[in-house]
Amino acid sequence: DAGVIQSPRHEVTEMGQEVTLRCKPISGHDYLFWYRQTMMRGLELLIYFNNNVPIDDSGMPEDRFSAKMPNASFSTLKIQPSEPRDSAVYFCASSPDRASSGNTIYFGEGSWLTVV
Amino acid sequence: QKEVEQNSGPLSVPEGAIASLNCTYSDRGSQSFFWYRQYSGKSPELIMFIYSNGDKEDGRFTAQLNKASQYVSLLIRDSQPSDSATYLCAVNYGGSQGNLIFGKGTKLSVKP
Repeated sequence: DAGVIQSPRHEVTEMGQEVTLRCKPISGHDYLFWYRQTMMRGLELLIYFNNNVPIDDSGMPEDRFSAKMPNASFSTLKIQPSEPRDSAVYFCASSPDRASSGNTIYFGEGSWLTVV
Repeated sequence: QKEVEQNSGPLSVPEGAIASLNCTYSDRGSQSFFWYRQYSGKSPELIMFIYSNGDKEDGRFTAQLNKASQYVSLLIRDSQPSDSATYLCAVNYGGSQGNLIFGKGTKLSVKP
């Protein structure tokens, strides 16, 4: 299996620009998560989907952030407008149905975002 | 506020020694506990999970859980330089699949 695939791996953008991060989960996984990691705050859950439906977006920092999952094999996280404090590593992760594998979450390689 | 606390380290141990990593959590309703390893510049990867009080062993790794004390630990026996990484403790507070709260991690350095 190819694992969770994220793009872009690295992005440098100017403040105020729109940023779109993309994710392809592992085939057959029903859960998809977006996490953000910074030195100060560690790894934070932003939002997660179950069967393409957003379940909990309470971790989304503000209205500038939005996430979609139009189908089982694709999700996006969008930041508009971006700010320097959004600079972080954004991880997408997926997990099989909760009835199996004990909630094991598989992470993608991450998208390293720098907003200048 | 559900919290997972870890000592940030760095924890430095000599090669061959036992490394002990600790984690405390705030909510007694927690149901499952995970240890992830993250190499610098890489994504977290699952090492072990534990649900029940006591010890769970997997190769050189042992997870220990004490729900009464709200404490979970990871022991790494015969530490190797390749074990040098940041170790993240994660706690699932039950119910929803997505309620996995991570600690900020402990950086481990194993010296040859």
